[in-house]
Amino acid sequence: DAKTTQPNSMESNEEEPVHLPCNHSTISGTDYIHWYRQLPSQGPEYVIHGLTSNVNNRMASLAIAEDRKSSTLILHRATLRDAAVYYCILRDWGYNAGNMLTFGGGTRLMVKP
Amino acid sequence: SAVISQKPSRDICQRGTSLTIQCQVDSQVTMMFWYRQQPGQSLTLIATANQGSEATYESGFVIDKFPISRPNLTFSTLTVSNMSPEDSSIYLCSVEETPTDTQYFGPGTRLTVL
Repeated sequence: DAKTTQPNSMESNEEEPVHLPCNHSTISGTDYIHWYRQLPSQGPEYVIHGLTSNVNNRMASLAIAEDRKSSTLILHRATLRDAAVYYCILRDWGYNAGNMLTFGGGTRLMVKP
Repeated sequence: SAVISQKPSRDICQRGTSLTIQCQVDSQVTMMFWYRQQPGQSLTLIATANQGSEATYESGFVIDKFPISRPNLTFSTLTVSNMSPEDSSIYLCSVEETPTDTQYFGPGTRLTVL
């Protein structure tokens, strides 16, 4: 699987937007970009995913660079509940031997009141 | 979205013993997975639990240490055998929902081995 690189940690103020970057310079044409987050003492939860175009859902937005070598998860208004570890993961849509997720170190987001 | 429960939520065990963790899903799913999260670390896939056949293990994990059962499309168990303190981790099961390709995770089982 192609590798992703994320900052170890970031800080944000409550009710401000947060931009979480992810570099994936070796991404292949069939890799989807997935984001999951893990709140304290919980299992990971799905946030969003995309292939080439920017994506929006009720939780966040995903901005994908034109060359697909980087992406940014955008939380429009951070709340204290958004404090979590955010994982950027590449998944090959053509991979049919288990569809496993390969977790890297992620970014620990801290939200200050 | 699938709802997943795990039992037990936590346990403290003596070295040399075994613990079986249960994972129950509220709907039928094809793909189920077991992950381990060591203290302060990210998640590592242990194996894919296949219904009706042997589990598929990732490098570094073997069936004798982590036997897995998958008797039907809503249930799986992971056993941590002959435990040592190094097995102290959070063990999580997850399921894959198609066609969204989204994985849903259980709350985890926090295991401490003394």
